[in-house]
Amino acid sequence: SAVISQKPSRDICQRGTSLTIQCQVDSQVTMMFWYRQQPGQSLTLIATANQGSEATYESGFVIDKFPISRPNLTFSTLTVSNMSPEDSSIYLCSVEGGRGSTEAFFGQGTRLTVV
Amino acid sequence: GQQLNQSPQSMFIQEGEDVSMNCTSSSIFNTWLWYKQDPGEGPVLLIALYKAGELTSNGRLTAQFGITRKDSFLNISASIPSDVGIYFCAGPVQGAQKLVFGQGTRLTINP
Repeated sequence: SAVISQKPSRDICQRGTSLTIQCQVDSQVTMMFWYRQQPGQSLTLIATANQGSEATYESGFVIDKFPISRPNLTFSTLTVSNMSPEDSSIYLCSVEGGRGSTEAFFGQGTRLTVV
Repeated sequence: GQQLNQSPQSMFIQEGEDVSMNCTSSSIFNTWLWYKQDPGEGPVLLIALYKAGELTSNGRLTAQFGITRKDSFLNISASIPSDVGIYFCAGPVQGAQKLVFGQGTRLTINP
C-alpha cells in the first residue's frame, strides 16, 4: 500500500481565512480523493483529483469553497476557503489501491478547527 | 444513491468478548471493505472482500461477503484494548471510481 503524508496534521484557524492542506504520496497514483469527516460522522467525499484535469466535485461541494490542485501524480492540495466554524472537520486525503483496485488508502488526516 | 447502513452505531463490551457488526444496503456491491479508524488517524484497511460468500480472516478479525451481495459482517474475537476505535464498512459506487462509507461502529472496551 502507498504511504500518504498529509500536512498540517492539525490547525486552528480564524474564520474568514483559508487553509491549504497538502497530500504527498510515495508512489505515482492516477486518482487522489479528498474526504471530509465532520465530528462524530462518517467520511464524505469532497472531490476526486486527477492529474492534468480539473477536479470532479461531489454534490454539495464547489470549487470556489474547496479549490484543489493536482500538479503531478504524487501530490495534491485542498484549500478550505473563507472558513467558518462549520468547516471544523477532519480532512482526509486518499489514494486508490492501484491496478484497478477499488481499495483506498488514507493519510492521517488534517484536524481543522475554525474559531 | 447507494447507501450503506451500519449497525450497531456503538458497542460497549468487556475485554475478551467477541464483537459482531454488520453493514447492509438496498443495492448490490461487488466489493466490501472494512476499515478501522483510531483517534487522530486516518482509516486503515482491515479486510477486503471480492466474492459473494467469501469469508476472510485477518488475525482475530473475520469478515464475510453476504450471498445476496447486499450485506457484510465483521467479527472480532477475544477483544483487546487496542481494538478500540471506529469501524467503517465501505463499497465502490457502481460505475464510478469512488467509495461510499457506512456510518461507522464505535467500539469501546472496558478492561
